Amino acid sequence: KAGVTQTPRYLIKTRGQQVTLSCSPISGHRSVSWYQQTPGQGLQFLFEYFSETQRNKGNFPGRFSGRQFSNSRSEMNVSTLELGDSALYLCASKRAGDSQETQYFGPGTRLLVL
Amino acid sequence: DQQVKQNSPSLSVQEGRISILNCDYTNSMFDYFLWYKKYPAEGPTFLISISSIKDKNEDGRFTVFLNKSAKHLSLHIVPSQPGDSAVYFCAASGAGGTSYGKLTFGQGTILTVHP
Repeated sequence: KAGVTQTPRYLIKTRGQQVTLSCSPISGHRSVSWYQQTPGQGLQFLFEYFSETQRNKGNFPGRFSGRQFSNSRSEMNVSTLELGDSALYLCASKRAGDSQETQYFGPGTRLLVL
Repeated sequence: DQQVKQNSPSLSVQEGRISILNCDYTNSMFDYFLWYKKYPAEGPTFLISISSIKDKNEDGRFTVFLNKSAKHLSLHIVPSQPGDSAVYFCAASGAGGTSYGKLTFGQGTILTVHP
């Protein structure tokens, strides 16, 4: 069974640009969550999508947004990039909606903002 | 407010010995706990989990213990192997509602297993 895939793996952008990252969950998984990992803040929850609906959102500014498609694939977008947005962005998928099944992570997208 | 804490930034262990990684939490609503292993520039890999209705879960060399009254969990690796060297994250999730799809992570513990 294929794992969670994320594209691209590496990205370099400049301040003020916008970026879109993609995540394909494990087949059959309908919940997709996004996290930001930085050395100073660790792993921080961004948002979660289930059946194309955002059900939960972390404490990030509105420049961070996302969406989920009918095939459960998800994208996240960051507009007006800032230097502090440089991070490893991880997505994770899990099987069902409300139960506490384990989340499985993709390899991440490393974003560098110059 | 750090709701999940791993107070030991690093741990060094000899091959074949036991590694014990600790995690404390403050939110009594957490009802599911997980341990992940992470290598640099890779996503976390799931190791083992435990529901709050249990106090122990075992999977091969990995055992997780949960002490709800102390809001403390630990991961035991026996015997430790050099390939276990990585960063270990403790994570927790709550029951439904605003916790949908959200894991709260500790800051991680770097485990080094020496041959």
